Amino acid sequence: AQSVTQLDSHVSVSEGTPVLLRCNYSSSYSPSLFWYVQHPNKGLQLLLKYTSAATLVKGINGFEAEFKKSETSFHLTKPSAHMSDAAEYFCVVTYGGATNKLIFGTGTLLAVQP
Amino acid sequence: GAVVSQHPSWVICKSGTSVKIECRSLDFQATTMFWYRQFPKQSLMLMATSNEGSKATYEQGVEKDKFLINHASLTLSTLTVTSAHPEDSSFYICSASHAPRFSSYNEQFFGPGTRLTVL
Repeated sequence: AQSVTQLDSHVSVSEGTPVLLRCNYSSSYSPSLFWYVQHPNKGLQLLLKYTSAATLVKGINGFEAEFKKSETSFHLTKPSAHMSDAAEYFCVVTYGGATNKLIFGTGTLLAVQP
Repeated sequence: GAVVSQHPSWVICKSGTSVKIECRSLDFQATTMFWYRQFPKQSLMLMATSNEGSKATYEQGVEKDKFLINHASLTLSTLTVTSAHPEDSSFYICSASHAPRFSSYNEQFFGPGTRLTVL
């Protein structure tokens, strides 16, 4: 069965330092992978997506993620954290095709300290 | 583009009443809409998938008589929580998808969510 694991439920960084949010997936097929951000009481916003094109994906707000098939990972990074980055981040995998079901990770809460 | 709205954004109701939540795709035709439920500080759980003009497909463990889904047009889907009880209190999120040509996947666009509180 396909699944996605976010290794850290909470990550705390200082403003201006790098961000690393980890995600591993389990899939028998070539997956499509996404990172979404959710601010309190808000809907999900797509940060970036991987759909079998370039393995290094650049998203909005300076975030990027690298698809590593050998490690089944899709970690999210940002060189320098900003206070406004504090939010919940979800790694998501999809079967694709007709079902289009999204499998959500359990989320990582990012705290940014001043 | 690809904006999805939900109405209402929050609702408080008494136990035993029914509540209807609307999900609209504002600038595209959504062939498929999805309904998710999110408990506090937890991930999203897919409740059901609906295609325009067809009956919704419910995930295992989701009561179809409890959560009525209607997808009567390509821009509107509704979720009705019937005879709501306090345990139905949650954050309900919809998403909408369309199928562009030659795409290997159908990206989902999410609404802002509806917070339901049942007293």
